[in-house]
Amino acid sequence: DAGVIQSPRHEVTEMGQEVTLRCKPISGHNSLFWYRQTMMRGLELLIYFNNNVPIDDSGMPEDRFSAKMPNASFSTLKIQPSEPRDSAVYFCASSSTSGRYQETQYFGPGTRLLVL
Amino acid sequence: GEDVEQSLFLSVREGDSSVINCTYTDSSSTYLYWYKQEPGAGLQLLTYIFSNMDMKQDQRLTVLLNKKDKHLSLRIADTQTGDSAIYFCAERPGGYQKVTFGTGTKLQVIP
Repeated sequence: DAGVIQSPRHEVTEMGQEVTLRCKPISGHNSLFWYRQTMMRGLELLIYFNNNVPIDDSGMPEDRFSAKMPNASFSTLKIQPSEPRDSAVYFCASSSTSGRYQETQYFGPGTRLLVL
Repeated sequence: GEDVEQSLFLSVREGDSSVINCTYTDSSSTYLYWYKQEPGAGLQLLTYIFSNMDMKQDQRLTVLLNKKDKHLSLRIADTQTGDSAIYFCAERPGGYQKVTFGTGTKLQVIP
């Protein structure tokens, strides 16, 4: 299994630009999570989906952030417009609601975002 | 709300045992996890324990759970330099998907 795949791995952009982060969950997993990690705030859950439906987006910091999951194998997290304080590592994780390791979250390698 | 706390830093000598501690507040926690994050990488699941267990052992890793005190620990026997990483404790109530992560403990192994 390829695990959770995220792209790009690194992104450097200028303030005001749109940023799109992509995630492919583990095949067969039906839950997907977006996290943000910074030195100051640690690991924060932004939003999670179950069966492609957003369940809890209370962690999304502002309207500049949006997330979609058009199908079971793809999700995007968009920041528009981006700001320097959005600089962080963004992780995607997925889990399954069935099976021996149900609900255990498996993380992708992360996207390191730097907004200048 | 739920809260998971860990000490920020631990330093041990190679070959010694490491013990990383975690406390949580949610009494309905059913699943408790330990994740490892190496520099520049994502979080990797190390092990997990159900709340109806007191202990779980997996090779060099031993997880102890004191449900009364809401205290979880991870013991790494014969710590190696490759164990240097940040270790996250996390908890999840049964029936819910949202996991609450601790702040992470940075383990430094001195050769």
